[in-house]
Amino acid sequence: GAGVSQSPSNKVTEKGKDVELRCDPISGHTALYWYRQSLGQGLEFLIYFQGNSAPDKSGLPSDRFSAERTGGSVSTLTIQRTQQEDSAVYLCASSPRRAGDSPLHFGNGTRLTVT
Amino acid sequence: AQSVSQHNHHVILSEAASLELGCNYSYGGTVNLFWYVQYPGQHLQLLLKYFSGDPLVKGIKGFEAEFIKSKFSFNLRKPSVQWSDTAEYFCAVIFTGGGNKLTFGTGTQLKVEL
Repeated sequence: GAGVSQSPSNKVTEKGKDVELRCDPISGHTALYWYRQSLGQGLEFLIYFQGNSAPDKSGLPSDRFSAERTGGSVSTLTIQRTQQEDSAVYLCASSPRRAGDSPLHFGNGTRLTVT
Repeated sequence: AQSVSQHNHHVILSEAASLELGCNYSYGGTVNLFWYVQYPGQHLQLLLKYFSGDPLVKGIKGFEAEFIKSKFSFNLRKPSVQWSDTAEYFCAVIFTGGGNKLTFGTGTQLKVEL
């Protein structure tokens, strides 16, 4: 079946511009995560959505970052006024239940380059 | 704050050598433990997981990991590596009572040479 789909796969933007990254989770998965993967930094947690509950935004690095999940399915991560340090691979993952009960299914990520 | 440490950042082995990758976490409570693997050009996928029960868990492709609570460790092992095991390996932990945030280590890049 279809996995987690992320778009675009690559995004190059100029410093100061806003970007939107999209994630289509596996159908029926209630949990959705965003992570950021930088060279040598591992995976940095950004935000977590679980069903209709309020999202866990504790990992968002600044108020330039925001995310929403519409209808419990598709999610969009928005970065406003991008900076060069925002360059990274942004990964989305979904899970049929809470991540404590089942493994995450990852997308291929969006590689963001801020010039 | 809870954290996950992977002390080996780069490991180079010859085929048939044994592998052990270290993973330690800082938290005294209950944890769920995972190892994920990212093969070159592919997305992250689950290698194995520990929730409860037998602390020695077996995963795909001959990998296993042992949860040692007293050492706060969950090391990954494989008796004999293959060239196809070349990948980046990530340890991850859910600290129960801290929501469902999956915290990853910084990863270990494994290169297996022929």
